[in-house]
Amino acid sequence: AQTVTQSQPEMSVQEAETVTLSCTYDTSESDYYLFWYKQPPSRQMILVIRQEAYKQQNATENRFSVNFQKAAKSFSLKISDSQLGDAAMYFCAYRSPTSGTYKYIFGTGTRLKVLA
Amino acid sequence: GAGVSQSPRYKVAKRGQDVALRCDPISGHVSLFWYQQALGQGPEFLTYFQNEAQLDKSGLPSDRFFAERPEGSVSTLKIQRTQQEDSAVYLCASSRAGMNTEAFFGQGTRLTVV
Repeated sequence: AQTVTQSQPEMSVQEAETVTLSCTYDTSESDYYLFWYKQPPSRQMILVIRQEAYKQQNATENRFSVNFQKAAKSFSLKISDSQLGDAAMYFCAYRSPTSGTYKYIFGTGTRLKVLA
Repeated sequence: GAGVSQSPRYKVAKRGQDVALRCDPISGHVSLFWYQQALGQGPEFLTYFQNEAQLDKSGLPSDRFFAERPEGSVSTLKIQRTQQEDSAVYLCASSRAGMNTEAFFGQGTRLTVV
């Protein structure tokens, strides 16, 4: 079974600085997708960025980028120029076609605090 | 609607009471998921619908949990004889078909069993 591990329960970053959130996963599949979701206090999960496993190029969305290391099964999220609005829980998620349902498997999350 | 809508936002149930949680997905979305999120944890998969067909219910923790989507749109998650361990946020998500499609989540229902 696939698993997703986020080893940092909480991280802090100074406003305008850069922070990296870690995620590792375990799978025997070769075709899958990885996601980072943000969950603010409103509880609504918001997609931050996604990465297709077959693509070697790391995904980038404005201030958010990933470092995808397929062999190491690592998928970290880098947030540049951190803003107060980035404060939230961040969840790494894995999704594959073999389950037939394309369900997400989430990690336990990292709480990001942004210090003014 | 513009997004996934869940109701109620909050529900307090006495132990042993039955509850029903509603999810209105985005119009036209084929796939619908239910997740359970305990305090301080990541969401855990409960069940999946493709249109009206429940294709995966492997995450339902017991036979007290039942979900339906009779017309392939609105879905209801029902919990019978609630227990304290059922206290959690229940998230619903919907998406178009396919693995690379984005799933849109609702704001969840926070269930507290007292």
